[in-house]
Amino acid sequence: GAVVSQHPSRVICKSGTSVKIECRSLDFQATTMFWYRQFPKQSLMLMATSNEGSKATYEQGVEKDKFLINHASLTLSTLTVTSAHPEDSSFYICSARESQGFNYNEQFFGPGTRLTVL
Amino acid sequence: GENVEQHPSTLSVQEGDSAVIKCTYSDSASNYFPWYKQELGKRPQLIIDIRSNVGEKKDQRIAVTLNKTAKHFSLHITETQPEDSAVYFCAASWTGANNLFFGTGTRLTVIP
Repeated sequence: GAVVSQHPSRVICKSGTSVKIECRSLDFQATTMFWYRQFPKQSLMLMATSNEGSKATYEQGVEKDKFLINHASLTLSTLTVTSAHPEDSSFYICSARESQGFNYNEQFFGPGTRLTVL
Repeated sequence: GENVEQHPSTLSVQEGDSAVIKCTYSDSASNYFPWYKQELGKRPQLIIDIRSNVGEKKDQRIAVTLNKTAKHFSLHITETQPEDSAVYFCAASWTGANNLFFGTGTRLTVIP
């Protein structure tokens, strides 16, 4: 159980275009989903916390107008990188947390999306 | 906010030897400490976690110890195998917290 999928796994786009990444919890309901960015050989950097039915909470230094997050249902959150630039190239990973229960803190990660902006 | 430090950043061990990775945290309210294993290009996978009501937890070759007084916790891998080679992240959180606070990661290499 507790499977999180992410789509696409890889995307290459031209500078200036927008890219949408989907994160789905397949077998559980996730009130909260998280979006991380990971640079090569570095740790996971939390970008934003996505709550179903409300606005996302962004970490300091993350532009909310550039990284649009929508959490429309208990099983789907999307991250849209708008007007992408080469410096946005990175590995983006989502995670989801169950709505309730003993393992409230436990996060289940998606497989990640490698974004390359040319 | 919570600050998690992790050491060492890289660790090489001979196959069969033990590996120990240590983390410290700053917020005494933290009571949940998971460890994640991430292989190259793949998702982080939870391998073991511990809550503050216990001092040690073991799962086959993996164990985690927690010292709440000193605010540190450690991952112990015994009888290491080449497939244990990966990056390991510790994290800390507390009941009701929204997110996990991750350490900077340890790249473990097990030499056959």
